Amino acid sequence: EAQVTQNPRYLITVTGKKLTVTCSQNMNHEYMSWYRQDPGLGLRQIYYSMNVEVTDKGDVPEGYKVSRKEKRNFPLILESPSPNQTSLYFCASRWGSQETQYFGPGTRLLVL
Amino acid sequence: QKEVEQDPGPLSVPEGAIVSLNCTYSNSAFQYFMWYRQYSRKGPELLMYTYSSGNKEDGRFTAQVDKSSKYISLFIRDSQPSDSATYLCAMSVNAGGTSYGKLTFGQGTILTVHP
Repeated sequence: EAQVTQNPRYLITVTGKKLTVTCSQNMNHEYMSWYRQDPGLGLRQIYYSMNVEVTDKGDVPEGYKVSRKEKRNFPLILESPSPNQTSLYFCASRWGSQETQYFGPGTRLLVL
Repeated sequence: QKEVEQDPGPLSVPEGAIVSLNCTYSNSAFQYFMWYRQYSRKGPELLMYTYSSGNKEDGRFTAQVDKSSKYISLFIRDSQPSDSATYLCAMSVNAGGTSYGKLTFGQGTILTVHP
């Protein structure tokens, strides 16, 4: 089954404790993205990647890092999480056109 | 001012009603317009994808784009309780492909269809 998986699905952590949210896709997609979703603000792009070792900032990259060492994986790293990073995070991937974009199930993060 | 504005609702309608969801935008370079549906505790899924102005129909769903007014709509005919979800509009300057094709989303409208 074609899918984007994210882990963990739910996470509670404390300020300053480094964490990683994993994202994996099994569709051989080149393009992958991370979004955060907040009430009243919709989905905002954090980082994106056009291929292995090619990443770039989206609209809200501050406080986040990413890496793309393999085509299927695109982890999101929060080196020193803060309460304003409490949010719902989505990973997405696509082959070419926007028409092929798939989203993962989301990771709900609470930073205390 | 946000690039894409969408009334967050919530919108509550009886089963069988016609639903109209709308977005306005300010960037005249947007050419590709999408509607996503997001069920509770799930990721968004693409519902409709259109290019430039005009209408596109898919079953009970019709997407309408008016580039001159910078206005897009999604109509749902004969709405069902299973249509209850958050609907997000999204737009892009290009289609993706060899260029990145950044998506800009509206805030999302929460729709409830009650039996």
